[in-house]
Amino acid sequence: SAVISQKPSRDICQRGTSLTIQCQVDSQVTMMFWYRQQPGQSLTLIATANQGSEATYESGFVIDKFPISRPNLTFSTLTVSNMSPEDSSIYLCSVGGLTRGYYEQYFGPGTRLTVT
Amino acid sequence: SQKIEQNSEALNIQEGKTATLTCNYTNYSPAYLQWYRQDPGRGPVFLLLIRENEKEKRKERLKVTFDTTLKQSLFHITASQPADSATYLCALNTGGFKTIFGAGTRLFVKA
Repeated sequence: SAVISQKPSRDICQRGTSLTIQCQVDSQVTMMFWYRQQPGQSLTLIATANQGSEATYESGFVIDKFPISRPNLTFSTLTVSNMSPEDSSIYLCSVGGLTRGYYEQYFGPGTRLTVT
Repeated sequence: SQKIEQNSEALNIQEGKTATLTCNYTNYSPAYLQWYRQDPGRGPVFLLLIRENEKEKRKERLKVTFDTTLKQSLFHITASQPADSATYLCALNTGGFKTIFGAGTRLFVKA
């Protein structure tokens, strides 16, 4: 298994500003994922970040709004840009590994973002 | 449209009883199905996986069944304890690395 930390754990931000969330893994991993989880809702995949290539975004999410960096095999950042109250959510970093023939995912503790 | 449905109502049971949570899906052909546990303020934690050609999988007090005809998975916790209180997420994988999550069902186990 992998141990994942995220910073910050929570933040309250003003409308129109940006926040960068950091994700650190204790081992080298190929694939990292960024999810959003709104209260009472399921996890929604924002993008997949592989080291050395551009992130792949899911439908409804764009790079200008959620730029992602993946400078090495243990670290990634997600920026939430030009925030609005609709961006208030929990943002989760995850890593996946092809273990025993299937993809098992490990999640960070999440970043709780409130936009006022 | 594709949907994963879990009971949005919380499940309240007495300690020692068996908790049964349901996951139904439509318009998916999952290669495998996973169950995760999520505690407040924490990320989901992987519990169990069952493949499309398996009917049942067990791990300690946990049991998962998978009926691809009914498009349903059942998740059982036997001899439940207050420490089992959490939200349980069902997740589908249709092949590759992408996982689709349900919204989860909250379980409360009373002492």
